[in-house]
Amino acid sequence: GAGVSQTPSNKVTEKGKYVELRCDPISGHTALYWYRQSLGQGPEFLIYFQGTGAADDSGLPNDRFFAVRPEGSVSTLKIQRTERGDSAVYLCASSRGFNQPQHFGDGTRLSIL
Amino acid sequence: DQQVKQNSPSLSVQEGRISILNCDYTNSMFDYFLWYKKYPAEGPTFLISISSIKDKNEDGRFTVFLNKSAKHLSLHIVPSQPGDSAVYFCAGVYNQGGKLIFGQGTELSVKP
Repeated sequence: GAGVSQTPSNKVTEKGKYVELRCDPISGHTALYWYRQSLGQGPEFLIYFQGTGAADDSGLPNDRFFAVRPEGSVSTLKIQRTERGDSAVYLCASSRGFNQPQHFGDGTRLSIL
Repeated sequence: DQQVKQNSPSLSVQEGRISILNCDYTNSMFDYFLWYKKYPAEGPTFLISISSIKDKNEDGRFTVFLNKSAKHLSLHIVPSQPGDSAVYFCAGVYNQGGKLIFGQGTELSVKP
């Protein structure tokens, strides 16, 4: 499809495990964003890439969270030593540029048991 | 510190009537604002935006109004349709960087 694709759609794992969440942005979009949404809240910014580099990672909650975008297209959000509080829907968005509307994927629902 | 607030968690409207969704913000540095619509188990879908230098933007049934002195914006949907039932988020963005700061959302229910 032509939209933002996120895999997996659901991920259940045990506390302490490592997880990777993948995002395929819309072709040609140079900006890529990660957000996290908890129940009853709006999405919360995590990190933003312009090309291959992280332009703003001020939303990452701690050093267990890391994201990469090595070729300027697909991005992976990595969470080490997962905790129950990491359970949320992780949303990825892309845009043509930082001042253009962001288009979201359907998210990955992460559940930490 | 909640920079963008949507104080009504839910709104119910009759089909054909106007829906008005409200949003307040505290940070005067936002350069523009966006409204997103979200269905369950789907990502937010962009609806309409407005620059901070404008006071109104219209797109079909959707109109956004911005009152900078009151730090308030609203989304009007006329006429409302059952398919408009969803959660609506407003968001502010700084031009330098582009990260969105979202409100908590308002769940709109349009009854036939």
